Amino acid sequence: IAGITQAPTSQILAAGRRMTLRCTQDMRHNAMYWYRQDLGLGLRLIHYSNTAGTTGKGEVPDGYSVSRANTDDFPLTLASAVPSQTSVYFCASSDTSGGSYNEQFFGPGTRLTVL
Amino acid sequence: DAKTTQPPSMDCAEGRAANLPCNHSTISGNEYVYWYRQIHSQGPQYIIHGLKNNETNEMASLIITEDRKSSTLILPHATLRDTAVYYCIVRVRVIAAGNKLTFGGGTRVLVKP
Repeated sequence: IAGITQAPTSQILAAGRRMTLRCTQDMRHNAMYWYRQDLGLGLRLIHYSNTAGTTGKGEVPDGYSVSRANTDDFPLTLASAVPSQTSVYFCASSDTSGGSYNEQFFGPGTRLTVL
Repeated sequence: DAKTTQPPSMDCAEGRAANLPCNHSTISGNEYVYWYRQIHSQGPQYIIHGLKNNETNEMASLIITEDRKSSTLILPHATLRDTAVYYCIVRVRVIAAGNKLTFGGGTRVLVKP
């Protein structure tokens, strides 16, 4: 089934450790996004990528980095995790070609707890 | 991007229509209205979008007022599986530059038997 996969599903991490959240899509969408959602709140954009080889900062980029080596994969890295990064992380993708209205498709999320 | 205002919560009876309002009084001419929903513990799901005209798909209908300052999402026959947080988002459709979504608080809809 086409869509977005995220790994791991959940993770408990010690503060100060490095962590990479994985995201893969098979829809050949050119744009991809990472959001975080804190308990009871709406989603906030961390980083995005309009196409392979380019990335941009969202609303809350500090403490996170991304790369986009190819169309399908968009990993999110926490270089040194802190407790305030405890959240649910959602990856999304969208087709930004001329005929599309840019609706985003979301993955199932990664629940990250930093202790 | 224009700011949106939605009621924080609403209840709906199963089998009845659910009408979800959204105010976007500062919307500009090239901004679209998008609706997404998020069922508990899942990623958001696209529902529908519109610019000026009313729109309908297999999930819902979108009614946009003539002055475009408000809109209503209609779930014609709500089921228990429609219980979710519904987000109204106003955004320019920027070709080839992605469509970064700004999520507000949304409306928490509870469909009751």
